[in-house]
Amino acid sequence: DIQMTQSPSSMSASVGDRVTITCRASQGISSWLAWYQKKPGKAPKPLIYAASSLQSGVPSRFSGSGSGTDFTLTISSLQPEDFATYYCQQANSFPYTFGQGTKLEIK
Amino acid sequence: EVQLAESGGGLIQPGGSLTLSCVASGFTVSNNYMSWVRQAPGKGLEWVSVIYSGGSTFYADSVKGRFTISRDNSRNTLFLQMNSLRVEDTAVYYCARGSVTGPGYFDFWGQGTLVTVSS
Repeated sequence: DIQMTQSPSSMSASVGDRVTITCRASQGISSWLAWYQKKPGKAPKPLIYAASSLQSGVPSRFSGSGSGTDFTLTISSLQPEDFATYYCQQANSFPYTFGQGTKLEIK
Repeated sequence: EVQLAESGGGLIQPGGSLTLSCVASGFTVSNNYMSWVRQAPGKGLEWVSVIYSGGSTFYADSVKGRFTISRDNSRNTLFLQMNSLRVEDTAVYYCARGSVTGPGYFDFWGQGTLVTVSS
């Protein structure tokens, strides 16, 4: 199975900050990577697919990059509604696997 | 508008069985890749199973041989039959649609249904 490792596991930031979350795959997955935002009691919200493509309706302050084994999710200017847990997920092969999550908290 | 609505969760004893349903609207289940994803309390997301438009199915090792994914085209509904349930199967179960850009990209999710396995 492909293991996905996110860093950091948690972080605190302020409104307006630029934030970067990294995700590393245990083997190459080309660009088969997605990012999701998860809030308690809510369904995961898709943000990015194919490593860098923005899902419809997602604000442009979210961006993704990377290929192979190393990927990043960047939020250019944090808004109050962005405080949540973020997950990366590989879609290269079964079983699809998620990172352990990065909890983004208000500083 | 695309919508997914899960149901069927509840409290079940270890070793028991439960069937989850996911009613879809705004698109046709049989023309899409459909998955189940779960989140145990305080844990991360875990992919469980997928059914392809052609009918092929795949499972996570943790549920293989115990869970069965299926669909009813006439009701536009996805199912997850869960047998031999274990305490570690306790989770919120989400159904999710695979994107046209890739079956592993989940572009729409239901609100989830909670399954609690406990004696």
